[in-house]
Amino acid sequence: DVKVTQSSRYLVKRTGEKVFLECVQDMDHENMFWYRQDPGLGLRLIYFSYDVKMKEKGDIPEGYSVSREKKERFSLILESASTNQTSMYLCASSPGFQKDTQYFGPGTRLTVL
Amino acid sequence: ILNVEQSPQSLHVQEGDSTNFTCSFPSSNFYALHWYRWETAKSPEALFVMTLNGDEKKKGQISATLNTKEGYSYLYIKGSQPEDSATYLCAFKKIYNQGGKLIFGQGTELSVKP
Repeated sequence: DVKVTQSSRYLVKRTGEKVFLECVQDMDHENMFWYRQDPGLGLRLIYFSYDVKMKEKGDIPEGYSVSREKKERFSLILESASTNQTSMYLCASSPGFQKDTQYFGPGTRLTVL
Repeated sequence: ILNVEQSPQSLHVQEGDSTNFTCSFPSSNFYALHWYRWETAKSPEALFVMTLNGDEKKKGQISATLNTKEGYSYLYIKGSQPEDSATYLCAFKKIYNQGGKLIFGQGTELSVKP
């Protein structure tokens, strides 16, 4: 069974703080993804990575950065959190071949005050 | 940005009703169409992945069809139960897509009342 874990289920931060969201997968997947989910907007891709130290911008990368130093771990960084980054953040991984089903973590509900 | 559209946005049905919803996607550069089910307080889980025009997939009372030429997929639930209440997401994967990137629709939220 694929397991994708995220460091926190709920997080409250203040405007201007640096925020780290961690994601770990245990299935040796090549690809990892960070999404945010807002009501009525579906899942929007922030960044993804198809290999260690490789990253690609998704559809809404502004205000975010990522780090993938090890294959199993993909971190999302909010350099200076703002209230419009209050959202649900979902991490996912996929094997990197064939149909590339994505496996999701439980999500982190981030509130920026 | 490629557009993946789902309709309706939300649906409220009674237990035992059958229901269906639609996912529209670009018909060019098609590789695969995914359906996911996302229950409240849980992670999205894959239901189906379809790649061939005319594909039909079935899992219990849930089935899906695919038309790649016209760019749509239908998800059907026969005899809905309260435990089918969830948001159903479709996602499009285009060919020559490095990194396994999927383009998600905004989802259809299904509520089944007992």
